[in-house]
Amino acid sequence: EDKVVQSPLSLVVHEGDTVTLNCSYEVTNFRSLLWYKQEKKAPTFLFMLTSSGIEKKSGRLSSILDKKELSSILNITATQTGDSAIYLCAVEYGNKLVFGAGTILRVKS
Amino acid sequence: GAVVSQHPSRVICKSGTSVKIECRSLDFQATTMFWYRQFPKQSLMLMATSNEGSKATYEQGVEKDKFLINHASLTLSTLTVTSAHPEDSSFYICSAKPTPATRVGEQFFGPGTRLTVL
Repeated sequence: EDKVVQSPLSLVVHEGDTVTLNCSYEVTNFRSLLWYKQEKKAPTFLFMLTSSGIEKKSGRLSSILDKKELSSILNITATQTGDSAIYLCAVEYGNKLVFGAGTILRVKS
Repeated sequence: GAVVSQHPSRVICKSGTSVKIECRSLDFQATTMFWYRQFPKQSLMLMATSNEGSKATYEQGVEKDKFLINHASLTLSTLTVTSAHPEDSSFYICSAKPTPATRVGEQFFGPGTRLTVL
């Protein structure tokens, strides 16, 4: 059965800390891995990763894919309270996305 | 650009009634739209893939007679929850893949509809 597993399930940090969120997958016909941030409503797109070892960066967020280990990490440096959200990892295979359970991040001021 | 709207944003209904949720791509055409359901503190679960002009493809375990999907135009898909029951209460999110995007990862999400069945 295809699956996507995220860890940790939840995390509480203080402003300024650096966090690393993990995503591992077991899917057939892998095409890409995506990260989303979900606050109160719909997920917003962060990154799409297709190639192993190439880091994608956007401000304080960065992500990298390891196809050998079937995993990806999302790093957030110098966290702010506005980073508090659910971070979802999804894997594209065939013509659909399979989502992980998400990591709930809470950044305390 | 790439805005997807959903209506209504929140609906409360009585058990046994039907509820229709609309998903619109506002500034692009979408041959394919997706419907997801999200229970509290859980992830998004794909319910069905909606294709303009043809029948929807439902995921295993999703009752197609209960969750009716109509994708009548390139900018509108509707999900009707028929004979709703309290266990259907959930957050329903649609997404739309711009035409002619080739990657399913290139989908934009609507703001979601919170359904509460009493």
